[in-house]
Amino acid sequence: NAGVTQTPKFQVLKTGQSMTLQCAQDMNHNSMYWYRQDPGMGLRLIYYSASEGTTDKGEVPNGYNVSRLNKREFSLRLESAAPSQTSVYFCASSDGYRLAGGVFGPGTRLTVL
Amino acid sequence: SQQGEEDPQALSIQEGENATMNCSYKTSINNLQWYRQNSGRGLVHLILIRSNEREKHSGRLRVTLDTSKKSSSLLITASRAADTASYFCATDPNFGNEKLTFGTGTRLTIIP
Repeated sequence: NAGVTQTPKFQVLKTGQSMTLQCAQDMNHNSMYWYRQDPGMGLRLIYYSASEGTTDKGEVPNGYNVSRLNKREFSLRLESAAPSQTSVYFCASSDGYRLAGGVFGPGTRLTVL
Repeated sequence: SQQGEEDPQALSIQEGENATMNCSYKTSINNLQWYRQNSGRGLVHLILIRSNEREKHSGRLRVTLDTSKKSSSLLITASRAADTASYFCATDPNFGNEKLTFGTGTRLTIIP
């Protein structure tokens, strides 16, 4: 039982490059989330998926797209990376709709040069 | 926008002492949650307190909620070096389709 896994753990991109962050959970949770964490800002919600087949924007969705591939997997794509997207990205999942007692992945540290 | 704001931003105490962190928020909530984050790791859920609860305990953790003051506190008793981490409150708003909102955290350092 691995919980929530994220790949990669670290990534350096150049401005304009694209990449996909992968997230998978093995707890049969319905809801999955992508957050970014910046110094002094707490965590901010990028996108979430309340159930398989649905996705919705969070607080800071611009510059990102997501795919809920199946119940286990929820990916985050940066189509054209910008330095402002330098951050630590966390995926989380929960059984309920509102991340009560959510389980977080270890994070992906992304640097955009 | 930040719903929850933790106070203090940083706290250093001796091992064995109690640590208290506070969280203030702005709008009506369904529940408030506390999370811990060790350096370089993801967040770990500690405890959830619902809006109709005033106090909750879990091991060495004690959480209080005062909805009239829109504030919560997290007390860690008999602190240990392993408690060194950042602690975040997260509020689940009681309206619309709004999602859980995290504060900026309190950095707790336990001095052995």
